[in-house]
Order: sequence, then structure tokens, then C-alpha cells
Amino acid sequence: KAGVTQTPRYLIKTRGQQVTLSCSPISGHRSVSWYQQTPGQGLQFLFEYFSETQRNKGNFPGRFSGRQFSNSRSEMNVSTLELGDSALYLCASSLNGDTQYFGPGTRLTVL
Amino acid sequence: SQKIEQNSEALNIQEGKTATLTCNYTNYSPAYLQWYRQDPGRGPVFLLLIRENEKEKRKERLKVTFDTTLKQSLFHITASQPADSATYLCALDENYGQNFVFGPGTRLSVLP
Repeated sequence: KAGVTQTPRYLIKTRGQQVTLSCSPISGHRSVSWYQQTPGQGLQFLFEYFSETQRNKGNFPGRFSGRQFSNSRSEMNVSTLELGDSALYLCASSLNGDTQYFGPGTRLTVL
Repeated sequence: SQKIEQNSEALNIQEGKTATLTCNYTNYSPAYLQWYRQDPGRGPVFLLLIRENEKEKRKERLKVTFDTTLKQSLFHITASQPADSATYLCALDENYGQNFVFGPGTRLSVLP
């Protein structure tokens, strides 16, 4: 079974731009979570989707948003990028809500 | 306030010894706790899950304990190998699996 895939793997943007990241979960997994990982803050929860509904949201500003499609694929959008948004963005899928299977991440650099 | 801590940022041990990593938390009541391994530039990989009513879980050279009274989990790697060198993260569920809180991680280096 194919693992979680994320595209693109690397991205460079400038301040003020917006970005969309994509995540394809493991087949059959309906829960998709997004995390931001930085050296200073570690791995921080952004939001979780299940069957196209956002069930939970972390403590991030409204510039961070996401959605999930009927095939469980998910996208995350960050608008008006700031330098501090530079991070590794990780997507994880889950079958039954406990074990999380992570993708390789998207490395976002904001200049 | 809620907090999850891992004993040290980095841990160096000699090959063949047992590595013991600690995860402490405050003001959480998780139904279960998990341990993940993360290699540089890659996403975390699930290792073990232990539920609140379990005291100990084992998988090959790995052992995890969970003490809900002490609010602590210990993660052991026996007969450690250089290939075990990685960052190890503990995570606890905050809302019945709908979101997880991760510790800052411990970077383990196993020296040959």
C-alpha cells in the first residue's frame, strides 16, 4: 500500500504571497492532520479533517486554512506569507484515529 | 498550563547499551501515548502506542512504560545500534485522536 504523499517537496516563496500544499493519504484513511515543524517550536498541530469536515484546529492564525476532498486528499493554504512561516509542513493520515502515518513533508522557505 | 517535556534535547550512548528516554506531561489526561522516530528531513515514523490502562508494551528491542500517576512514559531501546540514532518524539492524544500534542524530541546518538 502506498504511503502518504505530499507535494511539492520543496517550495520557495516571498513574503506576502500565498501557498497551497497538497497531501494524499494512505488509501482507506479518512482522517488527515497537518502539522508545522520548526527548530524552535517543534511539531505543532494545525488542523485535522475527517470526511471533508474540519474536526479540530490548533492555535494558528486564520491565514492558515485547509480543506479535504471527497477522496480524502487534503490541501493546506497559507495566505500572506510571513518569514516565520518557513517550516517543514507535515501531513499525517490515520485509519482509526490513533496511529498517525506521516508523509515526507513540504519544506517551505519564505524569503 | 499544559506541557509535554522530554528529558533531554540530546542523548549519547555507547553501542550495545540500553537507551532510556523520558516523556513527562502536565495537565493532560491522554487515553494513550505514542512514540515516534524521526530522521533528518523526513516525517516521523510510528513506533509504539500504549494505552492508559497498560503499564508496559514491547516490540522487538523497544519497550515503553506508561505511568498515569506520575504522568510519565519511559522509552527503552535495548542493545542499541548506530542505526538507532535519530530523534525520538513522544505524542499524546488530546481529543480522542482528533489532535495530538508532540514533545520537543530527544536526539539520540549511538556511538560505535
